Amino acid sequence: AQTVTQSQPEMSVQEAETVTLSCTYDTSESDYYLFWYKQPPSRQMILVIRQEAYKQQNATENRFSVNFQKAAKSFSLKISDSQLGDAAMYFCAYSPHGSGNTGKLIFGQGTTLQVKP
Amino acid sequence: ETGVTQSPTHLIKTRGQQVTLRCSSQSGHNTVSWYQQALGQGPQFIFQYYREEENGRGNFPPRFSGLQFPNYSSELNVNALELDDSALYLCASSLGLAVSYEQYFGPGTRLTVT
Repeated sequence: AQTVTQSQPEMSVQEAETVTLSCTYDTSESDYYLFWYKQPPSRQMILVIRQEAYKQQNATENRFSVNFQKAAKSFSLKISDSQLGDAAMYFCAYSPHGSGNTGKLIFGQGTTLQVKP
Repeated sequence: ETGVTQSPTHLIKTRGQQVTLRCSSQSGHNTVSWYQQALGQGPQFIFQYYREEENGRGNFPPRFSGLQFPNYSSELNVNALELDDSALYLCASSLGLAVSYEQYFGPGTRLTVT
């Protein structure tokens, strides 16, 4: 079964500091995508960053970057220069690629990030 | 370009009743996926519709059903509501089936079953 695990229910970071959120996943597929989504309180879920499994280079989007370790099935999110607006629940998600796959997302349990001023 | 919208925002139903939730996909998107998010949990995939046909289903009983209309908007119907159906229901639309297409989420419908 394909599963995604986020072992940190809550994290906190000081404004302007760096924080890393952890995610591990389990799959027998070799081709897939991994995602980090942000869900602010009472607001819509938005995509933060994504990684294609066949790409060795770690994805970056401005202050957000990932550390993708395919052999270890690990996919962590690093937020640099944390801002108050980064406070939200963050979800790691997996989606298998290839024919027959619907593009459905399999989510982890989420990590609530608190940013302290 | 309008984003994904859902209605209603909140809904309270009694156990055993039926409910219909609605989703308007983003302009140009032909694929809609529905997710159930229990409080404090990650979303779980219910099913997906592509060009008016169901294209994949998660581990949900048949009393969860859906429709997609020619304009690609979608409905989620739940019959014989149970207390455990209380959750935030999210829909997400995308340009197509490929996982490379980003899924854009709506704000959700909060369903409470009493």
